[in-house]
Amino acid sequence: DAGITQSPRHKVTETGTPVTLRCHQTENHRYMYWYRQDPGHGLRLIHYSYGVKDTDKGEVSDGYSVSRSKTEDFLLTLESATSSQTSVYFCAITLDTNYGYTFGSGTRLTVV
Amino acid sequence: LAKTTQPISMDSYEGQEVNITCSHNNIATNDYITWYQQFPSQGPRFIIQGYKTKVTNEVASLFIPADRKSSTLSLPRVSLSDTAVYYCLVARGGNSGGGADGLTFGKGTHLIIQP
Repeated sequence: DAGITQSPRHKVTETGTPVTLRCHQTENHRYMYWYRQDPGHGLRLIHYSYGVKDTDKGEVSDGYSVSRSKTEDFLLTLESATSSQTSVYFCAITLDTNYGYTFGSGTRLTVV
Repeated sequence: LAKTTQPISMDSYEGQEVNITCSHNNIATNDYITWYQQFPSQGPRFIIQGYKTKVTNEVASLFIPADRKSSTLSLPRVSLSDTAVYYCLVARGGNSGGGADGLTFGKGTHLIIQP
């Protein structure tokens, strides 16, 4: 969707290396989220942010960290990638929690 | 948040109306119901949301009975391009920030439309 972009779209990395995924929005929305989607599990929340420098953990936060130094950018870092973190990662934004969420196109990450 | 239950899969044909029912027996007073659609290799897309009775937009209608323990997403005159996974979610409502901690997705309903 216009207004939210994820980068990179695809990445292959080696076990043990750090990886950072970027979510960028041009909508000036307050809330931003990182999800992962795996077969058999659906979408699971990793971390979320409710403002600059305000973040919190989601359901599956172990092994991940996030940062939000600007309204428009929400970074997800895999501190030391493992094969279990091979997944498709989606970023989402919303203006207010009573509104629908807009999701990015996803980042397909493969850890070998 | 209330857990939702919906069929794992459904089949229908082009031109038909499709109704997907979702149960959410433990929905709270401030919760609302929201539906998303997801195509392969894409992120979910917001379709519709409501609190009670009926909501209609250009894509779908959402029917919510008075007890709010279930809801039905209605897709009029489906086409092949409506083949997707449809998620029913219960989201925490209230004042701004009241439901900031994200949406909880289940497995969804895989809708297959045939010619």
